[in-house]
Amino acid sequence: ETGVTQTPRHLVMGMTNKKSLKCEQHLGHNAMYWYKQSAKKPLELMFVYSLEERVENNSVPSRFSPECPNSSHLFLHLHTLQPEDSALYLCASSQVSSRGLESYNSPLHFGNGTRLTVT
Amino acid sequence: GQQVMQIPQYQHVQEGEDFTTYCNSSTTLSNIQWYKQRPGGHPVFLIQLVKSGEVKKQKRLTFQFGEAKKNSSLHITATQTTDVGTYFCAGDYKLSFGAGTTVTVRA
Repeated sequence: ETGVTQTPRHLVMGMTNKKSLKCEQHLGHNAMYWYKQSAKKPLELMFVYSLEERVENNSVPSRFSPECPNSSHLFLHLHTLQPEDSALYLCASSQVSSRGLESYNSPLHFGNGTRLTVT
Repeated sequence: GQQVMQIPQYQHVQEGEDFTTYCNSSTTLSNIQWYKQRPGGHPVFLIQLVKSGEVKKQKRLTFQFGEAKKNSSLHITATQTTDVGTYFCAGDYKLSFGAGTTVTVRA
């Protein structure tokens, strides 16, 4: 039990489908993240919800849409994906504290990921 | 934006030998974190360094934070097959991850 649970573990979807990835954290953290991990590429930060703000990587296509209804739950809504979107999608959480203008991050706790295949 | 670079990308090590992987940032970091991802698994936190010049050890693993807080290293002594995986460094609040060093071990 990692404290961060992701469902589903595996997902195969066509390019016209709409699906959602779910993440839940049981650690009492105040920040949640979506990362994309493709083969032979760095972990790519997609979205962050932290300290009541959402931060996004401007290079993430609009066919990925995050939703964070509360500090424990995070979703990634997918629609009209492309085959190159096939990857491991990792959710993570952490505790972020703010001191003046600086913010500090506790270690990230990752879920097991969703292996997504777009056909 | 902040960029974190890791070298080497791949490290093939004979069992029992030592090796070092390096992490370099384009900007000064307030802290740096190291993670390990086993094949088929997810990244797991190893350690966090905060102070300039800080050195921390975990059994055969030695982590160091540079004096200028722009680089870090992970040194593994007497490599074992259990060390196989990808080691990532991540810096600062938004946790920009390096590309990782993937380690394979020859028995």
